[in-house]
Order: sequence, then C-alpha cells, then structure tokens
Amino acid sequence: NAGVTQTPKFQVLKTGQSMTLQCAQDMNHEYMSWYRQDPGMGLRLIHYSVGAGITDQGEVPNGYNVSRSTTEDFPLRLLSAAPSQTSVYFCASSRTSWQETQYFGPGTRLLVL
Amino acid sequence: AQSVAQPEDQVNVAEGNPLTVKCTYSVSGNPYLFWYVQYPNRGLQFLLKYITGDNLVKGSYGFEAEFNKSQTSFHLKKPSALVSDSALYFCAVRDRRDDKIIFGKGTRLHILP
Repeated sequence: NAGVTQTPKFQVLKTGQSMTLQCAQDMNHEYMSWYRQDPGMGLRLIHYSVGAGITDQGEVPNGYNVSRSTTEDFPLRLLSAAPSQTSVYFCASSRTSWQETQYFGPGTRLLVL
Repeated sequence: AQSVAQPEDQVNVAEGNPLTVKCTYSVSGNPYLFWYVQYPNRGLQFLLKYITGDNLVKGSYGFEAEFNKSQTSFHLKKPSALVSDSALYFCAVRDRRDDKIIFGKGTRLHILP
C-alpha cells in the first residue's frame, strides 16, 4: 500500500491564482482531513470528511473548498490564493471518524507571493 | 469546543535521562487522546493513544503516556531518552461526541548527547 499520497510536494503561486492540492489514500479509510502547519501554531484543521459525499468545516476553513466524490480522494482547492495561505499542508486519513489512528501524507509546501 | 495545550515550546533533556512532554486538554465529554511525532520534513507519525481502560498507555519507541482525568492531562514520558528522540511532538484530543480532532501547537524535544 502507498498509504496517503499528496501532490505536489512544493508549489509557488501568485496572489489571486487558484490551485488544487491532491490527496489520495489506498487503505479504504472513511475519514479524511486537511491540516495546515504554521510555525508556532501547530496543526490546524481546515476541512474534514467522514465518508464519500460528506464534508465539514474545521477550525480554519475560509479560503478553501473540498469535495469527496470517492473514498480514495480528498482534494483541497484554493480559490484565490493569498499570502496568508503560505503554509505546509498535510492530508490525513483514518479508518473511522472517532477513535482510530490517523495516517499522514508527506505534506505539500505552498508559497504564495 | 475541545482544546489542547502544550505549555512548553521546547524541552531539552540529556541522553539517558527520563523525559516528559506535557499536554493538558479541555473537552465537554470524555476524550480520545493521541500523541504524534514529526521528524524534519516528514508527516506526522502515530505514537500512542488513550481510548478507554488503563490510564497508562504504552506506545511506539518506548514511549508511554498517563491519562489523568482529574488534572485533564496526558503527559508523554520515556524512562531513558535517546538522541534519535529529538523531534517535534504533538498532542491531540477528540471529544467522543465530535468528529473533529484538535492538535496542540507542538513541543520541540532536544536530546543532548
């Protein structure tokens, strides 16, 4: 199993551009989530999904959209990038939504100029 | 809403000495508690979790944590530190009535040779 994969590994955007961060898992996990990691802020939850077709907001959802059309994929869309969205983004998955261990992807480093 | 606090940004320990990384939490109901570790330029890796049962939880790489309900704490411990334990450690909590998992800001552990 590849586990949780994320693409791209690194991306530079200009303010106002849009892009999609890809996340995929091959473990048939129901629960998937997106976090951003900023210095001194730890990990903050952006959006999460407890199954295909179901998504919900986390702590810092503004400026991001998600969809979950399949169990495997959970893309994160930046509609109009802002410098404040410069961060490292991690996708994670777990078998169920409540007590299971989360498995993290390797991260995407995003720089918005 | 649930929250988690890691009061120390950094902890320095001499190799061979015991180590403790502190974590306190706040939830409305009963918590699920987790510890994750992050090595440089990597995603987070699961160390251990408390779901129910014995308050002392043993995890990977010789780490353990004690759930203390009265003090709302879940401190991470290891009897004898190794230089290879140097990393960023995150405590996380999930309220059993909620699907969201919330991470602390992280504690950087330095093991001095």
